Amino acid sequence: DQQVKQNSPSLSVQEGRISILNCDYTNSMFDYFLWYKKYPAEGPTFLISISSIKDKNEDGRFTVFLNKSAKHLSLHIVPSQPGDSAVYFCAVKTSYDKVIFGPGTSLSVIP
Amino acid sequence: KAGVTQTPRYLIKTRGQQVTLSCSPISGHRSVSWYQQTPGQGLQFLFEYFSETQRNKGNFPGRFSGRQFSNSRSEMNVSTLELGDSALYLCASSSPVLDTQYFGPGTRLTVL
Repeated sequence: DQQVKQNSPSLSVQEGRISILNCDYTNSMFDYFLWYKKYPAEGPTFLISISSIKDKNEDGRFTVFLNKSAKHLSLHIVPSQPGDSAVYFCAVKTSYDKVIFGPGTSLSVIP
Repeated sequence: KAGVTQTPRYLIKTRGQQVTLSCSPISGHRSVSWYQQTPGQGLQFLFEYFSETQRNKGNFPGRFSGRQFSNSRSEMNVSTLELGDSALYLCASSSPVLDTQYFGPGTRLTVL
């Protein structure tokens, strides 16, 4: 049973618009949440994270929102750029426990 | 600081053979985790080593094993290779202070 779900396998967005990537998790014990970006033939790169004591974290064009009651996490990219085209993985963990990754969402930003 | 390095980058083996993959973490990082990535499956956790001890383990058969050395370098071994083992194997290291993993470029294993 998947503990982390990213229900959209792919997403296409026009350059300059907002990209919203969603992630749902099942275990309320998770207390740390991360987003990674992956280009082909490269390892995933850490993008942004949020702890369970917050509901929003912002870093430049990237903002992560956490809704603990809904067990839902989202990543907003504003404005989207063609270089943002990649696979985005959401990941969750508890302290000193393994990181569990979602299946990923492939984002295409169209110029 | 140098990033996480993995060797070899590409590997072709045949069924029944065994393979060893190597990972050198970022200097100062003592935790090394291994993941298998296959199309449509995302990153599946294999195991994590910390200070030469396996701290966490995923749901993979015993054919998958690993170890960590005193300098934090880690190796992963897969015995009796099967076609389904073809995948990208990723290694990630993390420091005890930061809850963030830094990934290497991966080893692409093809089993024929």
